[in-house]
Amino acid sequence: DAGITQSPRYKITETGRQVTLMCHQTWSHSYMFWYRQDLGHGLRLIYYSAAADITDKGEVPDGYVVSRSKTENFPLTLESATRSQTSVYFCASRGDTYSNQPQHFGDGTRLSIL
Amino acid sequence: DQQVKQNSPSLSVQEGRISILNCDYTNSMFDYFLWYKKYPAEGPTFLISISSIKDKNEDGRFTVFLNKSAKHLSLHIVPSQPGDSAVYFCAASEGNAGNMLTFGGGTRLMVKP
Repeated sequence: DAGITQSPRYKITETGRQVTLMCHQTWSHSYMFWYRQDLGHGLRLIYYSAAADITDKGEVPDGYVVSRSKTENFPLTLESATRSQTSVYFCASRGDTYSNQPQHFGDGTRLSIL
Repeated sequence: DQQVKQNSPSLSVQEGRISILNCDYTNSMFDYFLWYKKYPAEGPTFLISISSIKDKNEDGRFTVFLNKSAKHLSLHIVPSQPGDSAVYFCAASEGNAGNMLTFGGGTRLMVKP
């Protein structure tokens, strides 16, 4: 099925552990994004990528690492999880700069850090 | 400081009536404004957008109005339906509708039958 998928949908882990959230899209979109959603803040951009091997920081990048070796995948890693990173994480993608199309979002990963 | 604000966390409307959701922004560089709708346990879904060269954009029951001088936009839903009950996020970007988005905190709309 075409689209953007995130895995896992739910994850519980402990402080200090490393955890990786996966994002896969089948549209061959150039741009991919990671956001986190917290009450009262809406969604905030963590990192984004304009193409394979090109990534850049968003508004709240501290404590997160991303990579993009293939166009279709954009994993987000918390190298040493903290309770403040408990959140719902959304991945999004869009086409190239000339398309002027909105971002499309996955269904999110709910991450709880104990 | 939040650059995009939705000052009403919730709104309750009777089925068939108009729903008006409001959004304010502070960054004059924003030139695209979008509304996303979100159901529980799902990702945000794009609803409608407007560029800064326009003051109104309409799509079926949904209309977005932009007042650049006041840095204010609103989403009108007419008539409101129970299936419209969701959280609505206002978002803004610079240069392209698909660029990095700055979101408001969201407004939960409840449409009562």
